[in-house]
Amino acid sequence: EVVLTQSPGTLSLSPGERATLSCRASQTLSGNFLAWYQQMPGQAPRLLLYVTSSRAPGIPDRFSGSGSGTDFTLTISRLEPEDFAVYYCHQYETSPFTFGPGTKLAFK
Amino acid sequence: QVQLVESGGGVVQPGGSLRLSCSGSGFIFSNYGLHWVRRAPGRGLEWMGLVSYDGRDKNYADSVKGRFTVSRDNSKSTVYMQMNSLQEDDTAVYYCARDFFGTAGNVWGQGTLVTVSS
Repeated sequence: EVVLTQSPGTLSLSPGERATLSCRASQTLSGNFLAWYQQMPGQAPRLLLYVTSSRAPGIPDRFSGSGSGTDFTLTISRLEPEDFAVYYCHQYETSPFTFGPGTKLAFK
Repeated sequence: QVQLVESGGGVVQPGGSLRLSCSGSGFIFSNYGLHWVRRAPGRGLEWMGLVSYDGRDKNYADSVKGRFTVSRDNSKSTVYMQMNSLQEDDTAVYYCARDFFGTAGNVWGQGTLVTVSS
């Protein structure tokens, strides 16, 4: 199965700053079928981006994605207070689909 | 209103079985695949499985293959996940999610808690 590694494990920033989260796949995702999710405590995950860089409906444009092959990035251009959460990357190119371990975005 | 509602969670002993349900409303249920995703306490998300819109195609995570079975009844707008040989590691909140271009999309249930404990 494809193993996803996320870095950093925790990212401490302040509102207004730029956040860059990384996700590395153990195999090439030639179709770029990589998604990003946000999860707040006690809530269901929320789809942010799919096929690497397409924003899901209703997702603000401060969220963007990039990458190809094995290396992918989620960028939040200017952090809002509601963005502090856990973020997961997810590959759905090869079954079984897999999630990364998550990056916690914490208040500095 | 487009929504998914899970039910069927509870407490079960190791080795036991449980069937979760995921009911959809506000959309044409039979047009969409459904994913199951879980989050164990203190751990991250884990993709469990996917059933296609017509129930013909199913995929599972290695950790549950042979123990969990996904099915659907489109006449009832419901997807089921039969969980057998449950282990303490299966303790988690289980979510169903509507497919969106191949991935678990922007419609999720509220989650149902499964606790495996003696």
